[in-house]
Amino acid sequence: TQLLEQSPQFLSIQEGENLTVYCNSSSVFSSLQWYRQEPGEGPVLLVTVVTGGEVKKLKRLTFQFGDARKDSSLHITAAQTGDTGLYLCAGAGNNNDMRFGAGTRLTVKP
Amino acid sequence: NAGVMQNPRHLVRRRGQEARLRCSPMKGHSHVYWYRQLPEEGLKFMVYLQKENIIDESGMPKERFSAEFPKEGPSILRIQQVVRGDSAAYFCASSANRANTGELFFGEGSRLTVL
Repeated sequence: TQLLEQSPQFLSIQEGENLTVYCNSSSVFSSLQWYRQEPGEGPVLLVTVVTGGEVKKLKRLTFQFGDARKDSSLHITAAQTGDTGLYLCAGAGNNNDMRFGAGTRLTVKP
Repeated sequence: NAGVMQNPRHLVRRRGQEARLRCSPMKGHSHVYWYRQLPEEGLKFMVYLQKENIIDESGMPKERFSAEFPKEGPSILRIQQVVRGDSAAYFCASSANRANTGELFFGEGSRLTVL
């Protein structure tokens, strides 16, 4: 089983602060995806990273895929209250299904 | 992700009853995945189906749980003789291709409460 570990599990910050959350595994993934889930809803895809060392930017969000394709990070600049949610990373499993980490629950306080 | 339809959104069952959760994937999607989520936790993979075939059911309990994705109609996750520990949110996702080549689109989930 390919396991994805996310850290921190919980993160509470003030609006305007920067933060980084991590997704780590001992396995190599052909791609990793980041999703955000808000209460009462299903996860929504933020980004897919495919190439080792790849960096993708989505407005204030910066995603990085490790050189060895075993880990990824998500950095948020100048967090806003609307960034509050559960951030999940996911990697393709052995049968091409998608396995998720336990998530980082981010709270951005005004 | 609004294209994946799950129903019911909320389901209440007493211990021993059966729960049937339905998922209609986005139009044109033939790959369906079921996940279970407990409060304050991430998504736990249950089963991956492609039209009429179960590709991977390694995450699904061997007893009481079953899933199908018939040629016509929605995918069904069936839980027989429910117990309190089955209470959770069950999410369905679909994709046009295998998961590692594209995006998963999620429904809004079905929240099962077992009394």
